[in-house]
Amino acid sequence: DAKTTQPNSMESNEEEPVHLPCNHSTISGTDYIHWYRQLPSQGPEYVIHGLTSNVNNRMASLAIAEDRKSSTLILHRATLRDAAVYYCILRPYSGGGADGLTFGKGTHLIIQP
Amino acid sequence: DGGITQSPKYLFRKEGQNVTLSCEQNLNHDAMYWYRQDPGQGLRLIYYSQIVNDFQKGDIAEGYSVSREKKESFPLTVTSAQKNPTAFYLCASSTDRGGGNEQFFGPGTRLTVL
Repeated sequence: DAKTTQPNSMESNEEEPVHLPCNHSTISGTDYIHWYRQLPSQGPEYVIHGLTSNVNNRMASLAIAEDRKSSTLILHRATLRDAAVYYCILRPYSGGGADGLTFGKGTHLIIQP
Repeated sequence: DGGITQSPKYLFRKEGQNVTLSCEQNLNHDAMYWYRQDPGQGLRLIYYSQIVNDFQKGDIAEGYSVSREKKESFPLTVTSAQKNPTAFYLCASSTDRGGGNEQFFGPGTRLTVL
């Protein structure tokens, strides 16, 4: 399975934008890029996903590099409630074998007031 | 409101006992999943089901069993064969297996073996 690489932790200030990077150099042409986040002792929450083009939704934006070997999750104005572990995951277009989400350790985002 | 429920939230069991974790969804989703999370780690896939009466092993299925008799329900049994069962267990569902579909997660069950 294709793997992703994320920084262990990042720190940002409240009300400032946050850019969370993810490297996925072995991504295949049909892998979707998904982002989830998880608060302590809770289940993960879907944030956003994309295939080739940049994507925007009410929670965040996803910027995908032209060669698709990296992506960046953008939180436009961080709040304290955005403090969580953020996971970048690759998911095949059509499953083959175990196609659940394979989570690495993610990035622990710390928001300072 | 639609969503996924897991019960109980906390579960304690004695070593050598089997225990069943409940997962129910009212989202009309075909696919359902069970994951295990250890402290400070990501999620690992235990079992998944694409449709009623069908399920497949994930990356760490040994010591676990599942059933999918109804679309809404996907219970997980942690058997005495599971060597280190203490963990946080998460259930999820999605409309189907396609990679463009998001997964919805339940609140989790924290299992502790005494």
